[in-house]
Amino acid sequence: EVQLVESGGGLVQPGGSLRLSCAASGFTFSSYWMSWVRQAPGKGLEWVANIKQDGSEKYYVDSVKGRFTISRDNAKNSLYLQMNSLRAEDTAVYYCARDLLGSSGCQDYWGQGTLVTVSS
Amino acid sequence: QSVLTQPPSVSEAPRQRVTISCSGSSSNIGNNAVNWYQQLPGKAPKLLIYYDDLLPSGVSDRFSGSKSGTSASLAISGLQSEDEADYYCAAWDDSLNGYVFGTGTKVTVL
Repeated sequence: EVQLVESGGGLVQPGGSLRLSCAASGFTFSSYWMSWVRQAPGKGLEWVANIKQDGSEKYYVDSVKGRFTISRDNAKNSLYLQMNSLRAEDTAVYYCARDLLGSSGCQDYWGQGTLVTVSS
Repeated sequence: QSVLTQPPSVSEAPRQRVTISCSGSSSNIGNNAVNWYQQLPGKAPKLLIYYDDLLPSGVSDRFSGSKSGTSASLAISGLQSEDEADYYCAAWDDSLNGYVFGTGTKVTVL
């Protein structure tokens, strides 16, 4: 059974940093592109970033470029999102997801999400 | 502000059919696969349709997808109370070099 479990969310002040983790199991993690998708309270879904199987390609939504870094450790079956210079508008539930169609997205399995709140 | 536009809400009686539209452009829907997701209240999204009209294993065949030009549609037939949820279309956008979700549509079963 495919499982994705996020962790690392919490309350952080504006300008602060946070690192999210996603532990994957039940599939060959190193064979899939992976994504982070977020959802602000009461709002729609927003794709944040994705990463190739070997980490050699990464794509980001414009609003997080230069502030967020996606990475992975295939030996640990883990996906990460380093978030720096956080802003109030980054407040959201962050989901880790597996990409079914490679670089072009299409997330077929999702974690339960971890809440990030940016507030003073 | 999403580049994929959906109606905010649709509603219909049980056992009826509803259609949700998703309007985009040549850089996204017009040139890439469209995917649809269902998000039940308080839950993570679930993939409903991929590659325009394919159903993942386990998804009811009451759901169907179609695409024409720069627009796509999701149809739900035999509407049931358990279909009450938010639905999102999505596609890769070649101009933005990123994946974009639609604005989302709330389906209400009357």
